[in-house]
Parts: sequence; C-alpha cells; structure tokens
Amino acid sequence: QVQLQESGPGLVKPSQTLSLTCSVSGGSISSGDYYWNWIRQPPGKGLEWIGNIHYRGSTFYNPSLKSRVTISVDTSKNQFSLNLSSVTAADTAVYYCARVLNWNSRFDCWGQGTLVTVSS
Amino acid sequence: QSALTQPPSVSGSPGQSVTISCTGTNSDVGSYNRVSWYQQPPGTAPKLMIYAVSNRPSGVPDRFSGSKSGNTASLTISGLQAEDEADYYCSSYTSSSTYVFGSGTKVTVL
Repeated sequence: QVQLQESGPGLVKPSQTLSLTCSVSGGSISSGDYYWNWIRQPPGKGLEWIGNIHYRGSTFYNPSLKSRVTISVDTSKNQFSLNLSSVTAADTAVYYCARVLNWNSRFDCWGQGTLVTVSS
Repeated sequence: QSALTQPPSVSGSPGQSVTISCTGTNSDVGSYNRVSWYQQPPGTAPKLMIYAVSNRPSGVPDRFSGSKSGNTASLTISGLQAEDEADYYCSSYTSSSTYVFGSGTKVTVL
C-alpha cells in the first residue's frame, strides 16, 4: 500500500523560501497513471490546491501561487518536492502531499501533513 | 480560481439524512464528471469518500452518495451516525488542468 510522508522545516522566516519533500513508499512515483500534488490548509481554514507534477516532469500550478511555486520530482529517490518563495505569515499552514489518479481526478492517498509556520 | 461554494455547516440527528452542496462554474464542476468528496475529522488528513461524482471507494459505507446537476454537485449522508461528524470538502478538475477545492462544510450530529 502506497504511503506518503512530508518532511522539512517547521519554521521559516518571512521573505525566505519554504522547502518540503514528500517521500513515496510502497509504490513507484514513476507510475504514469498519477500526478503528485501539494495541498495546504491554513489553521482553521479550508484546503487549497498548490500544484502537481507527473514523473515525466510536467507541472500545473494554482494561478494564485504560480509566480512563487516550483514543484520538482526525483524518481531515483521516489520523492517530489515543493519550493514556495517569498513567504509571509499568510503561508502558515499544514502542507499535505497527495496522489491524484489522472483519469478520474481522485486524491486517493494523502500524507499526514506537516505544519509550517512563517515567523521571524 | 475561486473556491467552490459549500454551505459552512449542516446538521442532523442520528438516522436522518443531510445533503451538502458544492457549486462551481462551467469551467470546473459543470464541465467534468471529476468531482470528489473528502471527509476530514479534526487533526487528520482528508479521506476520499466519493470520486467521479458518484463512485464510492471500497470501504466507504453506502450511506454516502454523490450526484451532480449542472454546476452543482452534492454529497448526501443517509442514516447519519455520530462518527460522520467532520468537515467535508468537494474538489473538481478544471479546464486549466488544475484543481479547486470547496470552501468546506462542517457536519454536526445533534
């Protein structure tokens, strides 16, 4: 059974870059059927889709975040990563990585989430 | 892209039915049968409950059902149980090959 696990700093200073990695176990990230996603949830608020990547490298981003987001994949490590630049307090959130099945758009596997706080 | 519109809260007594609406546009919900629903108890990751408008993954009780009409999708919980108390989110694929989530609905079992 596929499992996803987020990792990275829990505290980032304003104006710096937030960097997280999602490690995939129990299956290959190189399955062509899936896109690999980042989703976030500010404390007490709803889910926001950040973007995704296919193992071949194609990416799609939320238009509201596109100028600050980069998602990359490392198939040799079975991982994908998120970089979010120029962060502010508004970027404080629980960040989830998740797998979406391409043809029917179901997010069927999620990481447990990791809280990232933006503060000096 | 704007979040899909859901009611902030719905409530019902045990055994009753509740329905959550999810309203989008003809660039997302109205154009694709790629609407999913997620259950999120406090402090946990979302769990897939319905996909492709009306399909249940294995292990999800048949008390949960989904439908769609035009730009609005709906999730119905029949025979409400205490364990159903959680936040629920819809999501949809969009014409820009992106995804959008709903604003979220808190389900309270009275």
